[in-house]
Amino acid sequence: QVQLVESGGGLVKPGGSLRLSCAASGFTFSDHYMSWIRQAPGKGLEWVSCISGRDSTIYYADSVKGRFTISRDNAKNSLYLQINSLSADDTAVYYCGRSCTVDSWGQGTLVTVSS
Amino acid sequence: DIQMTQSPSSLSASVGDRVTVTCRASQGIRSDLAWYQQKPGKAPKRLIYAASSLQSGVPSRFSGSGSGTEFTLTISSLQPEDFATYYCLQHNSFPRTFGQGTKVEIK
Repeated sequence: QVQLVESGGGLVKPGGSLRLSCAASGFTFSDHYMSWIRQAPGKGLEWVSCISGRDSTIYYADSVKGRFTISRDNAKNSLYLQINSLSADDTAVYYCGRSCTVDSWGQGTLVTVSS
Repeated sequence: DIQMTQSPSSLSASVGDRVTVTCRASQGIRSDLAWYQQKPGKAPKRLIYAASSLQSGVPSRFSGSGSGTEFTLTISSLQPEDFATYYCLQHNSFPRTFGQGTKVEIK
């Protein structure tokens, strides 16, 4: 079955950076677009970014364009999100999802931005 | 960007009730809409895709309808395990956008 496991979250100071990872298993990773979605504490879901399976076509939400970089390593069945210039507004649980229609979700990793 | 307006933002209902949640898109999105259920502290789970197709393993009391700009999620007979927050997602264009969520609470 599809399994997505995020890691890399934690406490980071404003202005700092973080790299999130998502390990995928149970499907042919390179055949699928992959997404990042986030959820601030007590708030709704916000789509962040999506990357194609092979040619690295990439899409971003306007709110993160220029600060977030999505990437993938198909040899390692892994998805990444590099987050720079963090602010308190980036505090959220970050989920990875399979496809840009998000048919499967990981359990999420919490990023807390605080001094 | 396409805006998704979900209503109501919350509702109270009893076990056995029929419940309807609505999502309205700011422009036509054909049938490119999914519905998700999220329970506290858990990741969302997809219930419906392509506006009306039931995800495998999801109980048949859940159904979706609509196309263009108006969509509904219906729970035909609310069960205790259905108390959760529900979100719609348009996947017609980028950036993808979610509705703001509907919290279904116990009356």
